[in-house]
Amino acid sequence: GAVVSQHPSWVICKSGTSVKIECRSLDFQATTMFWYRQFPKQSLMLMATSNEGSKATYEQGVEKDKFLINHASLTLSTLTVTSAHPEDSSFYICSARGWNTQYFGPGTRLTVL
Amino acid sequence: EDQVTQSPEALRLQEGESSSLNCSYTVSGLRGLFWYRQDPGKGPEFLFTLYSAGEEKEKERLKATLTKKESFLHITAPKPEDSATYLCAVLPSLSNDYKLSFGAGTTVTVRA
Repeated sequence: GAVVSQHPSWVICKSGTSVKIECRSLDFQATTMFWYRQFPKQSLMLMATSNEGSKATYEQGVEKDKFLINHASLTLSTLTVTSAHPEDSSFYICSARGWNTQYFGPGTRLTVL
Repeated sequence: EDQVTQSPEALRLQEGESSSLNCSYTVSGLRGLFWYRQDPGKGPEFLFTLYSAGEEKEKERLKATLTKKESFLHITAPKPEDSATYLCAVLPSLSNDYKLSFGAGTTVTVRA
């Protein structure tokens, strides 16, 4: 149980385009989901917290207009990186709040050329 | 401010050589302490939740313990497949959004 999926697992895009990443809780409902970013050999950096049916709460320094988060249902949250640039290249990981912890997805590797 | 410090930063072990990882924390009331395992290029995999001092949890070769100021993850007779980065995280009692504070992790390498 407590499986979280992400799609796509990797994506390559051109600078200036937008990319959408989906995060799904497959076998449980998650009122709260989280989006993280991870650079090589570094720990997780929380970007935002999303609650189903309400606006996401962004961490300090994260541009909410650049990283659009939508949590439209109890099993789906999406992160859209708008007008992506090479510095947005990173490993993006979502998690979903389960009954006793956060359960993480497998991550999405974004490369912006 | 909540703080989580993991040590050592990296640990190289011979297969079968038991060792322990440390997670020291400062938090205004602990609701839970979590251990995760992360393999390269993958998301963290949940291992344990500990709620109160004195609590212990075990899974295969891993055993997690908790005191009022720190947690240990003991790896007994490790195998090469135990090689990974182990992350510790805390959830403060006052948190109403379930945000975790993570440590930087300990990267364990087990040689055959």
